[in-house]
Formats: sequence, structure tokens, C-alpha cells
Amino acid sequence: GENVEQHPSTLSVQEGDSAVIKCTYSDSASNYFPWYKQELGKRPQLIIDIRSNVGEKKDQRIAVTLNKTAKHFSLHITETQPEDSAVYFCAARGGNTPLVFGKGTRLSVIA
Amino acid sequence: GAVVSQHPSRVICKSGTSVKIECRSLDFQATTMFWYRQFPKQSLMLMATSNEGSKATYEQGVEKDKFLINHASLTLSTLTVTSAHPEDSSFYICSAYGGGGGGGYTFGSGTRLTVV
Repeated sequence: GENVEQHPSTLSVQEGDSAVIKCTYSDSASNYFPWYKQELGKRPQLIIDIRSNVGEKKDQRIAVTLNKTAKHFSLHITETQPEDSAVYFCAARGGNTPLVFGKGTRLSVIA
Repeated sequence: GAVVSQHPSRVICKSGTSVKIECRSLDFQATTMFWYRQFPKQSLMLMATSNEGSKATYEQGVEKDKFLINHASLTLSTLTVTSAHPEDSSFYICSAYGGGGGGGYTFGSGTRLTVV
């Protein structure tokens, strides 16, 4: 089955700097790669996603890149703000199979 | 957008009792429901997958007799934690597949179970 690795596990950045979180996946059949932001005790919130037919997608300060050949995808947050502090999860799946999550990255944005 | 209602949001129960968690898709038909468990400061771990009208498929290491899943209709799935123990204390969250957004996945709001 699918296996998703996520790095780093923790990340601290100064407000205004960029943050990058990287994930790799194992199943070449996976075709959907979402990123979630989760605040303590709440459900994961989808912040951006990308499908396997696209290499990059951007939504304001957030962008995701996908390298199908290398089987890795990354989340980029620019101009970070304190409210970006949360745990971020990447995930991967193919078809209607379950989402397989990475272990998460705890992002701290220091004002 | 697609909405999944999960109840209860928090529950405290005594060891040995059973707890039922419900997830309802309010505006779409959930052909598949995924149940996850999340321990503090850890990721979401898939427990089981259920399709409407079929027996659930459990992940390795998850006891099917302890975590009973029922998906009797396209809008309702339940997870019952039977004979709960303190080590079952966790955040349980469902994800329904079949709605429009987020690749077809919609998460419930989660249930914080504490077994005392």
C-alpha cells in the first residue's frame, strides 16, 4: 500500500519568511495529493491540493509542487504569519482509496 | 459544500462501557466512509474503511470486534468502541467519500474520547 513520508517534523520560521514542507510517496498509482492544516482538537482543513496531471498550483501565499518522477511533493508558504502556526499534513491516494497521511509538521511562526 | 456531521464532539466514559460515534453526510451520499484515530501529537491513522451495505475492512492491528463499524445507509456510518479502556482514549474522526470538494473527501469534526 501507499506510504507517505513527511519532513521536517517541526519547523520554526520568523514571521515574513517562507516555510517549505516536503513529502514523498511510494505508490506510483497515487494521483491526488492534498495538504491539510490542523489546529489542536479540530478537524483537518484542506488548504490546497494537486492532482498528478499538474506540476504546480498556487493559491495566494500557498503553493504546492509535484514531481511525479521522483514521487515527491512540497508545500510552500510565503510571507508567513503567526496564524499560519499549526500542524500541517500531506496525504496521497489513488481512486477512492483512503487518504494516507504523512506524520505531520508542526509549524511555528515567530513574531 | 459537502458537510459531514460527527457526534458527539466529546465523550467521557468509564472503563468497560461502550461508546457510539456517528457520522452523517448532510448533503451528499457517502459511498465510502473512512475512520481514523489520532493520538496526541501524532498523525491520522486509518482504522477501517466501510462501504454502504458491506462489512468494514479493518487495517492491520485494529480489532474488528472492539471497533464495530456500521454503514447501513449512504448518509450514516457509526463507530462503536466496545468495552472501552483508557488506552482507547483518542481523537476519532471520520472522512466521507462522495462529496464534491477536496478530492471527494469530507472530514467530520472529530470526537474526543476519554476513557476513565
